[in-house]
Amino acid sequence: GQQVMQIPQYQHVQEGEDFTTYCNSSTTLSNIQWYKQRPGGHPVFLIQLVKSGEVKKQKRLTFQFGEAKKNSSLHITATQTTDVGTYFCAARSNDYKLSFGAGTTVTVRA
Amino acid sequence: NAGVTQTPKFQVLKTGQSMTLQCAQDMNHNSMYWYRQDPGMGLRLIYYSASEGTTDKGEVPNGYNVSRLNKREFSLRLESAAPSQTSVYFCASTGGQGAYEQYFGPGTRLTVT
Repeated sequence: GQQVMQIPQYQHVQEGEDFTTYCNSSTTLSNIQWYKQRPGGHPVFLIQLVKSGEVKKQKRLTFQFGEAKKNSSLHITATQTTDVGTYFCAARSNDYKLSFGAGTTVTVRA
Repeated sequence: NAGVTQTPKFQVLKTGQSMTLQCAQDMNHNSMYWYRQDPGMGLRLIYYSASEGTTDKGEVPNGYNVSRLNKREFSLRLESAAPSQTSVYFCASTGGQGAYEQYFGPGTRLTVT
């Protein structure tokens, strides 16, 4: 199936700062999804990107799909303590299956 | 709606013991999934059921069996538990072909000693 690599594995952020996490693939992706998992919780769907160069925003979160559809990014502005957790990207490998990246775990310093 | 429910929440097994993890969804979804989550490894697919009556292997099926009991329920069985199966197990469901958002259950934390 599709293999997606996420960097960085860990992100330590000062409250109020911005950061970006990246998801990369060696093959062209049909779409990319992003999920968030709070500590001790379960993954929760955030968004799906389908089109080349697509950009979607959810409040302080900006999601982007690369022009070649081989990479994606999640940018968070003005980080808050509520942003703590692990962010996963996932690529569809067939009509039913997703292949998840290893995730970026975000901690926030107040 | 409860969404996706899983039982038990926690379980400790000894090597060689067997157990079944239960999952149920009340969203009338066609497809259901079992994942395991280990530190630094993300979510790895064990088995999935695209629709009632079908099951297929994922990335890491060895040591596991599944049953799609009906449209609502999808169980995961460990016949002879091994310490390498210590993990957090998540069940998920989605509307099916073309539907994209996966809904996850709260997880089962399994320790095999």
